[in-house]
Amino acid sequence: GQNIDQPTEMTATEGAIVQINCTYQTSGFNGLFWYQQHAGEAPTFLSYNVLDGLEEKGRFSSFLSRSKGYSYLLLKELQMKDSASYLCAVQTGANNLFFGTGTRLTVIP
Amino acid sequence: DTAVSQTPKYLVTQMGNDKSIKCEQNLGHDTMYWYKQDSKKFLKIMFSYNNKELIINETVPNRFSPKSPDKAHLNLHINSLELGDSAVYFCASSQVRLATDTQYFGPGTRLTVL
Repeated sequence: GQNIDQPTEMTATEGAIVQINCTYQTSGFNGLFWYQQHAGEAPTFLSYNVLDGLEEKGRFSSFLSRSKGYSYLLLKELQMKDSASYLCAVQTGANNLFFGTGTRLTVIP
Repeated sequence: DTAVSQTPKYLVTQMGNDKSIKCEQNLGHDTMYWYKQDSKKFLKIMFSYNNKELIINETVPNRFSPKSPDKAHLNLHINSLELGDSAVYFCASSQVRLATDTQYFGPGTRLTVL
């Protein structure tokens, strides 16, 4: 079976840095995705990691360690609009994407 | 221009009815998907079609039947709706390549079964 774990909720302050962790145990690994989902909206793509290491994209960075089955999403200079759910998803095959339950991030002033 | 579109956005219906949700993508992708997101916000794949062929069919009741008339469309028909079918249904599409095949999601259809 597939198992993807993330914290359910996190709270952070505007301007701060927050790290959202994701651990996974899956049969097959073709890459790990992070998606952002605002309430009532569709998930939107944030980042993709297939090799170990850090991928940086502006205020957002994502890290992967395949040997540890671990990833994190780092959000810097938090803004109020970053309040959303962040979904970790593992691609186990060409078409197969398994999502974690998501981490709801609340940014407070 | 809308990349992945779904209709309707909201659907309220009675138990036992049959309903359809339509999905269209104008990205030229060869693979389309249906996901169900329940009240706990867990997003779970239901079906995947590649070039109009069914690739993934997760454990979904056979009351759910996807239909892909062409690469740009993947519709979802649901028979004999039950209360537990209430959820948000997302369509998505991607272009399967050797490298990343990022999935792009439609706006979702909120189905409420009374």
